[in-house]
Amino acid sequence: AQSVTQLGSHVSVSEGALVLLRCNYSSSVPPYLFWYVQYPNQGLQLLLKYTTGATLVKGINGFEAEFKKSETSFHLTKPSAHMSDAAEYFCAVSGSGFNKFYFGSGTKLNVKP
Amino acid sequence: EAEVAQSPRYKITEKSQAVAFWCDPISGHATLYWYRQILGQGPELLVQFQDESVVDDSQLPKDRFSAERLKGVDSTLKIQPAELGDSAMYLCASSLGGAGTSSNEQFFGPGTRLTVL
Repeated sequence: AQSVTQLGSHVSVSEGALVLLRCNYSSSVPPYLFWYVQYPNQGLQLLLKYTTGATLVKGINGFEAEFKKSETSFHLTKPSAHMSDAAEYFCAVSGSGFNKFYFGSGTKLNVKP
Repeated sequence: EAEVAQSPRYKITEKSQAVAFWCDPISGHATLYWYRQILGQGPELLVQFQDESVVDDSQLPKDRFSAERLKGVDSTLKIQPAELGDSAMYLCASSLGGAGTSSNEQFFGPGTRLTVL
């Protein structure tokens, strides 16, 4: 069975500050991990994904995430927040084969000027 | 750039009425997913198709929901009768391969926001 926990339903940072969105997962098989971003009344857009190989994954818009197996975590970071980063972010886990995606409950990021 | 198309974008209906949503995946994508996203929550998979076959519909309320992908291309999700608790965003996604494969990145459509009065 797989599940995702996102700590903090709302995160607020100042423009230019570090962004850290937390994601912990539970998986009985080697996980594939994803971060998606959702703007109001829109679908989800993939930011980055981890399948195998390098544990530090770089994505679009300056975001990156590190897969830490020992901590069962896949936290999302960005060194300097921009106003356009304000959105809701979802972490998801899946396994190999036709295992379905399990999404976390999301974290709304607010960026203050 | 290829996109997943969904229609309508917004739908308001009264309870006990029937509603239908349409999704056209990215050309060549074999796998199609329907998700329900309740406000303040993450998407929850309702049904997954591989070509025209259902791979997973374990979370689909089959007494009122149905989904089809007859020719393995576009898909329709139907609710009959609609209930107040069905108010949500219904998202369609497609991927080249199945979940968990190296090509399983899911591309999402803009969604259909359903309001049941």
